[in-house]
Amino acid sequence: EPEVTQTPSHQVTQMGQEVILRCVPISNHLYFYWYRQILGQKVEFLVSFYNNEISEKSEIFDDQFSVERPDGSNFTLKIRSTKLEDSAMYFCASSEQDYQVGELFFGEGSRLTVL
Amino acid sequence: KNQVEQSPQSLIILEGKNCTLQCNYTVSPFSNLRWYKQDTGRGPVSLTIMTFSENTKSNGRYTATLDADTKQSSLHITASQLSDSASYICVVSPLSRRGNTPLVFGKGTRLSVIA
Repeated sequence: EPEVTQTPSHQVTQMGQEVILRCVPISNHLYFYWYRQILGQKVEFLVSFYNNEISEKSEIFDDQFSVERPDGSNFTLKIRSTKLEDSAMYFCASSEQDYQVGELFFGEGSRLTVL
Repeated sequence: KNQVEQSPQSLIILEGKNCTLQCNYTVSPFSNLRWYKQDTGRGPVSLTIMTFSENTKSNGRYTATLDADTKQSSLHITASQLSDSASYICVVSPLSRRGNTPLVFGKGTRLSVIA
């Protein structure tokens, strides 16, 4: 069964360092998303991406964050200068249709620990 | 403000027993309501998606109900198994004119099934 894959599964980094989280969405999906979940809290929307551009972003997704689809298969989330409060599980998701109607398929997540 | 509230926060039941999880939401209008299962440290997995016009939807031992008038949904789990131990998350998709208002997540109900 097709699935969304994410790497790395866990990354530990020093505050101020740049981090890139990678995702391979399901191949025929057109819509891509990043969510995050701080330990013990609810899943929060970061950004949605369609047709090679950001379609929506949350207040969390500030200038420190960026997304890219560099080669037609990967979908990356970059955090330029990590802060302690960026420590969370980051989930990539994809859908065949717009998320308002389409089913979202989530990856297993990348756990980011900022020291 | 669009919100999704779930109850109880956590629940412990014996294997083989049934249980019902509740979701109240203030999102209006909405496109659909979803229930996800999230194992610890893993990504959410979709259980059901119901449009505003549907009252019930089943997926194996999982049955979701929706009352759009009272803005309530429930997830009923029949004959629980140890593998049902997970967080169950209620998610509502707002219907917006712009078509890109993000999904609204609840905090989830943590279910523990014990032998």
